[in-house]
Amino acid sequence: DVKVTQSSRYLVKRTGEKVFLECVQDMDHENMFWYRQDPGLGLRLIYFSYDVKMKEKGDIPEGYSVSREKKERFSLILESASTNQTSMYLCASSLMGAGRLEQYFGPGTRLTVT
Amino acid sequence: KQEVTQIPAALSVPEGENLVLNCSFTDSAIYNLQWFRQDPGKGLTSLLLIQSSQREQTSGRLNASLDKSSGRSTLYIAASQPGDSATYLCAVRNLNAGGTSYGKLTFGQGTILTVHP
Repeated sequence: DVKVTQSSRYLVKRTGEKVFLECVQDMDHENMFWYRQDPGLGLRLIYFSYDVKMKEKGDIPEGYSVSREKKERFSLILESASTNQTSMYLCASSLMGAGRLEQYFGPGTRLTVT
Repeated sequence: KQEVTQIPAALSVPEGENLVLNCSFTDSAIYNLQWFRQDPGKGLTSLLLIQSSQREQTSGRLNASLDKSSGRSTLYIAASQPGDSATYLCAVRNLNAGGTSYGKLTFGQGTILTVHP
């Protein structure tokens, strides 16, 4: 079974702190994604990566950056956390190219910025 | 820009009923469509994936259909059970210009399903 893990289930940070959210997948997937999920707004894509050291902006990249130094790991960075970044963050991975490209999700990190 | 809409936003039914969840999308140039289930506070679990060339997919009591030309998909749940209570999300994967896909998903806002014993 594909497994996508996220470093924390719950995280509480203060405004202005630098925050790292880590995601690891064990299926050698090329594509990895970071979403945030908010009531009334649904899931929105922040960034995605289709290869090591490659990244592409999603729909709402402002206030975030990412890092992909190894194929299995994709990190989301909040350079200076703000209260409007309080949200559920979901990581996902998939194969690239052709085929089903089914996307597999991690359990999510509930981040609260106070 | 692709937009995905799910109707209804919430649905409450007694156990044993058959039900239909609806999903519509504005751009028919999709690679495939995926239905997910999400339990409160948890991640997403993939239920069914329909490639753009397919009309339907079945898994147990679940059946998903796709009408790409009209921009619609439905998820049919037969003989609903309290354990089916969750949020159901529809997501489409768009085509790139070359006919492939990066795999990015555009999500609907979900249907919250409650099945009463």
